[in-house]
Amino acid sequence: DTEVTQTPKHLVMGMTNKKSLKCEQHMGHRAMYWYKQKAKKPPELMFVYSYEKLSINESVPSRFSPECPNSSLLNLHLHALQPEDSALYLCASSQETSSSGANVLTFGAGSRLTVL
Amino acid sequence: GQNIDQPTEMTATEGAIVQINCTYQTSGFNGLFWYQQHAGEAPTFLSYNVLDGLEEKGRFSSFLSRSKGYSYLLLKELQMKDSASYLCAVRDSNYQLIWGAGTKLIIKP
Repeated sequence: DTEVTQTPKHLVMGMTNKKSLKCEQHMGHRAMYWYKQKAKKPPELMFVYSYEKLSINESVPSRFSPECPNSSLLNLHLHALQPEDSALYLCASSQETSSSGANVLTFGAGSRLTVL
Repeated sequence: GQNIDQPTEMTATEGAIVQINCTYQTSGFNGLFWYQQHAGEAPTFLSYNVLDGLEEKGRFSSFLSRSKGYSYLLLKELQMKDSASYLCAVRDSNYQLIWGAGTKLIIKP
Protein backbone atom coordinates (compact mmCIF):
# COMPACT_ATOMS: atom_id res chain seq x y z
CA ASP A 1 0.00 0.00 0.00
CA THR A 2 1.66 3.20 -1.19
CA GLU A 3 -1.21 5.58 -0.56
CA VAL A 4 -2.24 8.26 1.85
CA THR A 5 -6.02 8.27 2.25
CA GLN A 6 -7.91 11.38 3.29
CA THR A 7 -11.56 11.78 4.22
CA PRO A 8 -13.79 13.52 3.50
CA LYS A 9 -12.89 14.72 -0.01
CA HIS A 10 -15.19 17.71 0.37
CA LEU A 11 -16.49 19.43 3.48
CA VAL A 12 -18.76 22.44 3.86
CA MET A 13 -19.16 23.84 7.34
CA GLY A 14 -20.47 26.88 9.12
CA MET A 15 -18.38 29.04 11.40
CA THR A 16 -19.92 27.51 14.52
CA ASN A 17 -19.52 23.87 13.46
CA LYS A 18 -17.04 21.31 14.75
CA LYS A 19 -15.71 18.86 12.19
CA SER A 20 -12.65 16.68 11.64
CA LEU A 21 -10.45 15.76 8.72
CA LYS A 22 -8.92 12.29 8.73
CA CYS A 23 -5.77 10.87 7.20
CA GLU A 24 -4.44 7.32 7.10
CA GLN A 25 -1.30 5.67 5.76
CA HIS A 26 -0.03 2.10 5.95
CA MET A 27 3.45 2.57 4.53
CA GLY A 28 5.14 2.40 7.93
CA HIS A 29 6.04 6.08 7.70
CA ARG A 30 6.89 7.68 11.03
CA ALA A 31 6.36 11.31 9.99
CA MET A 32 2.98 12.81 9.09
CA TYR A 33 2.14 16.32 8.00
CA TRP A 34 -0.78 18.68 7.55
CA TYR A 35 -0.53 21.29 4.80
CA LYS A 36 -2.97 24.02 3.75
CA GLN A 37 -3.08 25.06 0.11
CA LYS A 38 -4.92 28.01 -1.39
CA ALA A 39 -5.58 28.22 -5.13
CA LYS A 40 -2.49 28.91 -7.24
CA LYS A 41 -0.26 28.90 -4.16
CA PRO A 42 2.23 26.32 -2.89
CA PRO A 43 1.38 24.14 0.11
CA GLU A 44 1.86 25.81 3.51
CA LEU A 45 3.07 23.61 6.34
CA MET A 46 0.78 23.57 9.38
CA PHE A 47 1.85 20.67 11.60
CA VAL A 48 4.40 17.86 11.67
CA TYR A 49 4.18 14.70 13.74
CA SER A 50 7.25 12.56 14.23
CA TYR A 51 6.82 9.18 15.90
CA GLU A 52 3.33 10.24 16.98
CA LYS A 53 4.56 13.37 18.74
CA LEU A 54 3.92 16.90 17.54
CA SER A 55 7.29 18.24 16.43
CA ILE A 56 6.34 21.34 14.46
CA ASN A 57 3.43 23.76 14.81
CA GLU A 58 3.84 26.60 12.35
CA SER A 59 2.01 29.16 14.48
CA VAL A 60 -1.35 27.80 13.42
CA PRO A 61 -4.46 29.31 15.12
CA SER A 62 -5.95 27.19 17.89
CA ARG A 63 -9.15 26.69 15.90
CA PHE A 64 -7.10 23.98 14.16
CA SER A 65 -6.23 21.11 16.49
CA PRO A 66 -4.17 18.15 15.27
CA GLU A 67 -4.23 14.68 16.77
CA CYS A 68 -2.17 11.59 16.04
CA PRO A 69 -3.93 8.58 17.64
CA ASN A 70 -1.35 6.11 16.33
CA SER A 71 1.42 5.83 13.76
CA SER A 72 -1.02 5.31 10.88
CA LEU A 73 -3.62 7.95 11.63
CA LEU A 74 -3.64 11.73 11.68
CA ASN A 75 -6.65 13.92 12.38
CA LEU A 76 -7.25 17.64 12.12
CA HIS A 77 -10.06 18.91 14.33
CA LEU A 78 -11.76 22.08 13.15
CA HIS A 79 -13.76 24.48 15.33
CA ALA A 80 -15.00 28.04 14.86
CA LEU A 81 -13.33 28.43 11.50
CA GLN A 82 -13.41 31.57 9.39
CA PRO A 83 -14.29 31.85 5.68
CA GLU A 84 -10.62 32.59 4.93
CA ASP A 85 -9.80 29.09 6.19
CA SER A 86 -11.44 27.68 3.07
CA ALA A 87 -8.70 25.80 1.23
CA LEU A 88 -7.43 22.37 0.19
CA TYR A 89 -6.03 20.56 3.24
CA LEU A 90 -3.36 18.06 2.35
CA CYS A 91 -2.04 15.27 4.51
CA ALA A 92 1.37 13.82 3.72
CA SER A 93 3.69 11.23 5.17
CA SER A 94 7.37 10.36 4.90
CA GLN A 95 9.72 7.82 6.40
CA GLU A 96 11.13 10.30 8.90
CA THR A 97 11.33 14.05 9.40
CA SER A 98 15.08 14.26 9.00
CA SER A 99 17.01 11.85 6.89
CA SER A 100 20.04 11.84 4.68
CA GLY A 101 18.01 10.02 2.06
CA ALA A 102 15.33 11.37 -0.24
CA ASN A 103 12.64 11.02 2.42
CA VAL A 104 9.99 11.82 -0.16
CA LEU A 105 6.64 13.22 0.95
CA THR A 106 3.66 11.19 -0.23
CA PHE A 107 0.51 13.31 -0.32
CA GLY A 108 -3.10 12.33 0.06
CA ALA A 109 -5.69 13.57 -2.44
CA GLY A 110 -6.72 16.33 -0.05
CA SER A 111 -9.88 17.51 1.66
CA ARG A 112 -11.44 20.57 0.09
CA LEU A 113 -12.91 22.68 2.87
CA THR A 114 -15.43 25.47 2.41
CA VAL A 115 -16.35 27.59 5.42
CA LEU A 116 -19.57 29.57 5.07
CA GLY B 1 15.42 34.98 4.03
CA GLN B 2 14.68 31.86 2.08
CA ASN B 3 13.51 32.18 -1.48
CA ILE B 4 12.66 29.94 -4.41
CA ASP B 5 11.93 31.42 -7.82
CA GLN B 6 10.30 29.74 -10.78
CA PRO B 7 8.32 31.15 -13.70
CA THR B 8 4.63 31.63 -13.05
CA GLU B 9 3.43 30.16 -16.32
CA MET B 10 4.81 28.52 -19.46
CA THR B 11 3.21 27.36 -22.68
CA ALA B 12 4.50 24.57 -24.93
CA THR B 13 3.31 22.45 -27.83
CA GLU B 14 2.36 18.79 -27.70
CA GLY B 15 5.34 16.63 -28.70
CA ALA B 16 7.88 19.35 -27.94
CA ILE B 17 10.41 19.80 -25.11
CA VAL B 18 10.10 22.29 -22.26
CA GLN B 19 12.53 23.32 -19.51
CA ILE B 20 11.23 24.74 -16.23
CA ASN B 21 13.86 26.59 -14.22
CA CYS B 22 14.13 26.99 -10.47
CA THR B 23 16.61 29.15 -8.55
CA TYR B 24 16.90 29.05 -4.80
CA GLN B 25 18.47 30.80 -1.84
CA THR B 26 18.01 28.80 1.34
CA SER B 27 19.55 28.27 4.75
CA GLY B 28 21.50 25.17 3.89
CA PHE B 29 20.69 22.50 1.34
CA ASN B 30 19.61 18.90 1.81
CA GLY B 31 18.09 18.12 -1.54
CA LEU B 32 15.78 19.55 -4.18
CA PHE B 33 12.47 18.06 -5.23
CA TRP B 34 10.14 18.50 -8.17
CA TYR B 35 6.46 17.71 -7.77
CA GLN B 36 3.64 17.72 -10.33
CA GLN B 37 0.21 18.93 -9.32
CA HIS B 38 -2.89 18.77 -11.49
CA ALA B 39 -5.59 21.31 -10.70
CA GLY B 40 -7.51 20.36 -7.56
CA GLU B 41 -5.36 17.31 -6.90
CA ALA B 42 -2.49 16.44 -4.59
CA PRO B 43 1.15 16.98 -5.56
CA THR B 44 2.90 13.86 -6.83
CA PHE B 45 6.65 13.30 -6.59
CA LEU B 46 8.65 13.54 -9.80
CA SER B 47 12.34 13.78 -8.91
CA TYR B 48 14.96 14.33 -6.23
CA ASN B 49 18.44 15.80 -6.68
CA VAL B 50 21.02 16.12 -3.94
CA LEU B 51 24.23 15.96 -5.98
CA ASP B 52 25.13 18.06 -9.00
CA GLY B 53 24.16 16.68 -12.35
CA LEU B 54 21.30 15.24 -14.32
CA GLU B 55 18.79 12.65 -13.11
CA GLU B 56 16.77 11.04 -15.89
CA LYS B 57 13.48 9.24 -15.40
CA GLY B 58 11.66 8.41 -18.60
CA ARG B 59 10.41 11.57 -20.32
CA PHE B 60 11.36 13.70 -17.31
CA SER B 61 14.87 14.79 -16.30
CA SER B 62 16.02 17.07 -13.50
CA PHE B 63 19.30 18.93 -13.23
CA LEU B 64 21.00 20.49 -10.22
CA SER B 65 23.89 22.91 -9.77
CA ARG B 66 24.42 23.57 -6.07
CA SER B 67 27.08 26.21 -6.63
CA LYS B 68 24.65 28.23 -8.75
CA GLY B 69 21.56 27.50 -6.62
CA TYR B 70 19.85 26.33 -9.78
CA SER B 71 17.78 23.43 -11.01
CA TYR B 72 15.65 22.68 -14.03
CA LEU B 73 13.02 20.12 -14.90
CA LEU B 74 13.09 18.97 -18.52
CA LEU B 75 9.99 17.41 -20.01
CA LYS B 76 10.32 15.68 -23.40
CA GLU B 77 7.71 14.46 -25.89
CA LEU B 78 5.07 16.57 -24.20
CA GLN B 79 1.61 15.13 -23.85
CA MET B 80 -1.65 16.94 -23.09
CA LYS B 81 -1.76 15.21 -19.70
CA ASP B 82 1.46 17.05 -18.76
CA SER B 83 -0.60 20.23 -18.38
CA ALA B 84 -0.22 20.86 -14.65
CA SER B 85 1.65 22.96 -12.12
CA TYR B 86 5.24 21.99 -11.38
CA LEU B 87 6.50 22.76 -7.89
CA CYS B 88 10.17 23.10 -6.98
CA ALA B 89 10.98 22.54 -3.28
CA VAL B 90 14.28 22.67 -1.40
CA ARG B 91 14.97 20.96 1.90
CA ASP B 92 16.94 23.32 4.11
CA SER B 93 19.45 22.71 6.91
CA ASN B 94 16.57 22.01 9.33
CA TYR B 95 15.15 19.41 6.92
CA GLN B 96 12.17 21.66 6.25
CA LEU B 97 10.77 21.89 2.72
CA ILE B 98 10.74 25.37 1.23
CA TRP B 99 8.31 25.51 -1.69
CA GLY B 100 8.37 27.60 -4.81
CA ALA B 101 5.09 29.12 -5.98
CA GLY B 102 4.88 26.64 -8.85
CA THR B 103 4.95 26.93 -12.64
CA LYS B 104 1.70 26.39 -14.50
CA LEU B 105 2.49 24.53 -17.72
CA ILE B 106 -0.04 24.79 -20.53
CA ILE B 107 0.26 22.30 -23.38
CA LYS B 108 -1.30 23.23 -26.71
CA PRO B 109 -2.11 20.79 -29.52
